[in-house]
Amino acid sequence: LAKTTQPISMDSYEGQEVNITCSHNNIATNDYITWYQQFPSQGPRFIIQGYKTKVTNEVASLFIPADRKSSTLSLPRVSLSDTAVYYCLVGDKNAGNMLTFGGGTRLMVKP
Amino acid sequence: NAGVTQTPKFQVLKTGQSMTLQCAQDMNHEYMSWYRQDPGMGLRLIHYSVGAGITDQGEVPNGYNVSRSTTEDFPLRLLSAAPSQTSVYFCASNAHGFPAKNIQYFGAGTRLSVL
Repeated sequence: LAKTTQPISMDSYEGQEVNITCSHNNIATNDYITWYQQFPSQGPRFIIQGYKTKVTNEVASLFIPADRKSSTLSLPRVSLSDTAVYYCLVGDKNAGNMLTFGGGTRLMVKP
Repeated sequence: NAGVTQTPKFQVLKTGQSMTLQCAQDMNHEYMSWYRQDPGMGLRLIHYSVGAGITDQGEVPNGYNVSRSTTEDFPLRLLSAAPSQTSVYFCASNAHGFPAKNIQYFGAGTRLSVL
């Protein structure tokens, strides 16, 4: 069972870069690391996924070191609308490898 | 293309009542799952299905039943509602195979209150 650990909350200001780090020490060899974003009163939304090194899309970048025991979600130049909860997930072998959502990181972006 | 549709959006029940939360997806996804989210908490997996006719329990299955007779539908049944089941329920679907199965598409949620 792979578990993830990430900070409970973070504060930032508009225009800053935000980095959220997640640890997953027991990640399986074939597991990907997936990040989701959830706004209040909405279901989570897929942001980015990676296996190793760096992945970038129009929303974020994901950095994964060679040992894959951690990962960092990077949000460039955040705005107020990036205020949300961010979840880092890996597969749960005890549940058909379905994703297990922990408490996530509550990001508050201030003006 | 509607994605994942959940009905109803809101529901109030009395203790002991039963009801079914509906979930339908039009993306031909093999995997579907139900989560509950209590205030200020993350999502917890209730039940999931890897295909029509196949279901399995997640982290918090007690008090809930599911069935998967078609690829499109995955209803969640509350057998005898209890106040502890007051929560927001999310249905999700995803394709099979790595890494696509990690990309889940969520419905808008059903907000349930049990009095």
